[in-house]
Amino acid sequence: GAVVSQHPSWVICKSGTSVKIECRSLDFQATTMFWYRQFPKQSLMLMATSNEGSKATYEQGVEKDKFLINHASLTLSTLTVTSAHPEDSSFYICSAGTGGGNYGYTFGSGTRLTVV
Amino acid sequence: TQLLEQSPQFLSIQEGENLTVYCNSSSVFSSLQWYRQEPGEGPVLLVTVVTGGEVKKLKRLTFQFGDARKDSSLHITAAQPGDTGLYLCAGPTRNTGGFKTIFGAGTRLFVKA
Repeated sequence: GAVVSQHPSWVICKSGTSVKIECRSLDFQATTMFWYRQFPKQSLMLMATSNEGSKATYEQGVEKDKFLINHASLTLSTLTVTSAHPEDSSFYICSAGTGGGNYGYTFGSGTRLTVV
Repeated sequence: TQLLEQSPQFLSIQEGENLTVYCNSSSVFSSLQWYRQEPGEGPVLLVTVVTGGEVKKLKRLTFQFGDARKDSSLHITAAQPGDTGLYLCAGPTRNTGGFKTIFGAGTRLFVKA
């Protein structure tokens, strides 16, 4: 089955620094990947759609200059949280799939970001 | 804007009891998915329902897609502590150049031994 690997699983960084999170599709190619953010005891909120070879599509209210997305290959998308602040602390999850929206997606195991 | 409303938001039951989780929308979806998420992990796909009226079974879990494809339900028979987790319904909506998935608010289930 499709496997999506996300790294790191957790990271602690100082306020003002940048953090990069990687999302890899291990056994399939993904022209599209998705980045979500999840606050404690809440559902997933879509941040952006990562498109291979082109600019990401950001959801309303998500700052594209703060959350930089790069999808340079068919198996790798990265999310960089720039100039992180404590309010950026959250659980970030990526997903990808081969069958399109009607067949569901495979999710990474998530990255717990804590900004101190 | 398409929305998915889930109920209940929280459910605490004894082992062996049955339960049903609902996912409703005023919009028609081409399909709906159910995911289960454990703390500190990403969601895991349980099932996709595509045809109106469709019923799918996964061991003690029964999933149904409404005839009008606007709602879905998840029924768990004889719940076990291992069923504890966050259950999310999700569905595809149009996005620039393709589709994106939106999620319901989730149902947090706790099964007591």
